[in-house]
Amino acid sequence: GAVVSQHPSRVICKSGTSVKIECRSLDFQATTMFWYRQFPKQSLMLMATSNEGSKATYEQGVEKDKFLINHASLTLSTLTVTSAHPEDSSFYICSAEGQGARTDTQYFGPGTRLTVL
Amino acid sequence: ILNVEQSPQSLHVQEGDSTNFTCSFPSSNFYALHWYRWETAKSPKALFVMTLNGDEKKKGRISATLNTKEGYSYLYIKGSQPEDSATYLCAFSEGAQKLVFGQGTRLTINP
Repeated sequence: GAVVSQHPSRVICKSGTSVKIECRSLDFQATTMFWYRQFPKQSLMLMATSNEGSKATYEQGVEKDKFLINHASLTLSTLTVTSAHPEDSSFYICSAEGQGARTDTQYFGPGTRLTVL
Repeated sequence: ILNVEQSPQSLHVQEGDSTNFTCSFPSSNFYALHWYRWETAKSPKALFVMTLNGDEKKKGRISATLNTKEGYSYLYIKGSQPEDSATYLCAFSEGAQKLVFGQGTRLTINP
């Protein structure tokens, strides 16, 4: 139980384009979803926290206009990287917690590798 | 800035041997310490959530201890098997939701 999927697993795009990444909770209701990114040889860093139906809360240094987060339903959150540039190339991974799963645990998707050319 | 350190960064262990590695975290404002196991191309999977000083948790051959006063947790694997090869992440939290991760310990079990 408590499975989270993420799509796509890999994406390559040209500089200046926008990329959307989806995160879905498959067997529980995700009242809260989290978006992290990981640069090479670094730890997972929290970008933002989103509660269903509310605006996301962004961590310091993360541009909310560049990384658009939508959490419109209890099973889906999306992260859109707008006008992507090579420095946005990274590994993006989501997690979720909520009803129908352990409340003290975040359940992670498998991640998305974004490469911006 | 909260700092969570894991050591060693990588570890090679012979099949059948036991091993352990460390997670260091701030000793103030402690709420919980999480251990995750992350296999390549898969999702990180929760191993343990530890909240009380002196906590010791066990799942099969894997166990973990917690010392919140000095700010460290150990993860032990007894009788390592090839399927134990993964990156082990620890994450510290001051509150109910926000996790601060270490860089992970990459464990390789040699058959």
